Amino acid sequence: DAKTTQPPSMDCAEGRAANLPCNHSTISGNEYVYWYRQIHSQGPQYIIHGLKNNETNEMASLIITEDRKSSTLILPHATLRDTAVYYCIVRETFGSSNTGKLIFGQGTTLQVKP
Amino acid sequence: GAGVSQSPSNKVTEKGKDVELRCDPISGHTALYWYRQSLGQGLEFLIYFQGNSAPDKSGLPSDRFSAERTGGSVSTLTIQRTQQEDSAVYLCASRIGPLNTEAFFGQGTRLTVV
Repeated sequence: DAKTTQPPSMDCAEGRAANLPCNHSTISGNEYVYWYRQIHSQGPQYIIHGLKNNETNEMASLIITEDRKSSTLILPHATLRDTAVYYCIVRETFGSSNTGKLIFGQGTTLQVKP
Repeated sequence: GAGVSQSPSNKVTEKGKDVELRCDPISGHTALYWYRQSLGQGLEFLIYFQGNSAPDKSGLPSDRFSAERTGGSVSTLTIQRTQQEDSAVYLCASRIGPLNTEAFFGQGTRLTVV
């Protein structure tokens, strides 16, 4: 799996947009970008994933650069309950013996402040 | 239940004893993962089962660790001759297939070796 790089921590004011960056400069053409988050003392929770187009769901938006070497997860109106560790993962979906394997990095600890 | 179930939720064991941790994945999910998370650390991949394929054991830290998945459903992670450094939260996840789907995590088993 391609290696990802995320800042170890970020702060965000409640009600403002939280923009969490992820670098994945060695990503290959068949690798998707996934985001999960882990709220304290809970198991990780899926947020969103994408290949090359920007994606949006009820939780967040995912912006992937045209060269696919980086992406940004956007929480449009952060709340205190969004305080968590956010993990960016890239993973092959086909054509690889590693298909399906999920490798988590250290993630970004997002602290939403009132 | 509808989610991934892990048991026990907490386990305290003496150094040198063997322990078994259980994971009940979501019904019909062919992929199952085990991870370990030490205090304040990220998720460490341990092992991955996909259908009837040979499991990916590349993350198991030593031969004291083993896992089985019987009948393509329930999985058991066994740690033999436990050591204090094995103390961690052990997380299980399942997904419906290997490709392009989200993984659902259980709440984990907190293992404390004294």
